[in-house]
Parts: sequence; C-alpha cells; structure tokens
Amino acid sequence: DQQVKQNSPSLSVQEGRISILNCDYTNSMFDYFLWYKKYPAEGPTFLISISSIKDKNEDGRFTVFLNKSAKHLSLHIVPSQPGDSAVYFCAASAFGNQFYFGTGTSLTVIP
Amino acid sequence: GAVVSQHPSWVICKSGTSVKIECRSLDFQATTMFWYRQFPKQSLMLMATSNEGSKATYEQGVEKDKFLINHASLTLSTLTVTSAHPEDSSFYICSARLRKGLGNTGELFFGEGSRLTVL
Repeated sequence: DQQVKQNSPSLSVQEGRISILNCDYTNSMFDYFLWYKKYPAEGPTFLISISSIKDKNEDGRFTVFLNKSAKHLSLHIVPSQPGDSAVYFCAASAFGNQFYFGTGTSLTVIP
Repeated sequence: GAVVSQHPSWVICKSGTSVKIECRSLDFQATTMFWYRQFPKQSLMLMATSNEGSKATYEQGVEKDKFLINHASLTLSTLTVTSAHPEDSSFYICSARLRKGLGNTGELFFGEGSRLTVL
C-alpha cells in the first residue's frame, strides 16, 4: 500500500516560471515531511523539510506547503532554473521513524 | 531557523577502512539525534536513535558494532562505519530534535546527507 503518492510522474516548466510539485499521503500520523532532489547517477540531495506544526516552510526559491486536512503537500520552486531539472521525491514519517517515499516527479525546466 | 550540518557530504573510501560522519546542530541543543540510511530505490530507513550522554538505540537488523554512534555533546553526534564494505555504500542522513521546553515542540531538523561510496 503506497502511503505517499506523487501522481504526476513528470512536469515541464519554462525557465523563470513557477514549478509546483505535489504529494499526497494517507497516514494521518505522519508528522514530518521531506523533499529530495535527485540527479541521474547521483545520490539524493536533501532539499527542504516541514513538520506538521507548520503549514509553510521557505528556503530561498523553495517553499513547501502542508495541508494537513487534505493530507497534501506541495513544493513550489520560483523562479525555476534549468539546473532544477531533476527527479523530486517527497517522503513522510511519523515521529522521526522510517520515512516513506513517493515515486518521484521528474521536473524539466526548459530554457 | 535551526540548522543541522552534516559532514562530509561525499566520501569515497577503500574497503576495510572506517569512515566517520558528523552531525552538528549549529544553533540549538539537540538531546536526540537520528541516523537514517537510504537503500537504492527504497525508503529512508531509521538506523538508530542517539541520545546525548547515553548509548544509542539501534533498530532491528542494524549492527551496532558496525555502525558506531557517539553523541558526546548536545550539538554533535557521529556515525562511524567500521571496516566499510561496498554494500555499506549508501546515503546517510541525520536529524536532530530541538530540546523540548520553553515553547519548543521538539521539531526535527535534517542534515544535508552524506553519500558514502566504498570501493
């Protein structure tokens, strides 16, 4: 049973525009959420996290929004840059235990 | 906001050597730190919970003599992979929990992760 879902396998965005990546989860006990970025043939890179006590966390061009009632989180990248082209994974955990990953969304930023 | 720094971010070593990864909470005291490992195409697995001044609590299946964890101060925890082998190659990430009290909720903050490659 997939507890964390990323329903869009791919996304293309023009450079300078906003990229919005979505993630849904089913377990209401999840209280920590992460976003990772992964380039081909490289390990994942931690991007940003958010705990359930917040509904927004911002770090430079990256903002994560959490809607607990909808069990939904999203990652906003603005402005998008070609170097942002990668696969993005969301992950969720309850109380800092095992993290469950989504299947990833491949973002392509077109110059 | 609170910052957790992990070092090194990349490390390559020969089989049989030991590698130490540091996790520091830069501007807060962390009584508890967690160490995770990501297996290829799988979830981030909790390896152990590290409490300042006491022994780490390891998850089932994690060899405590293989993965030595030391949490000697409220701002530093280290993970040492002893006698590393190629199967230990992985992505390791730490997180630190704010010390509860005075309105703090015990929120988790994550390091940037360390990519270990054992040749």
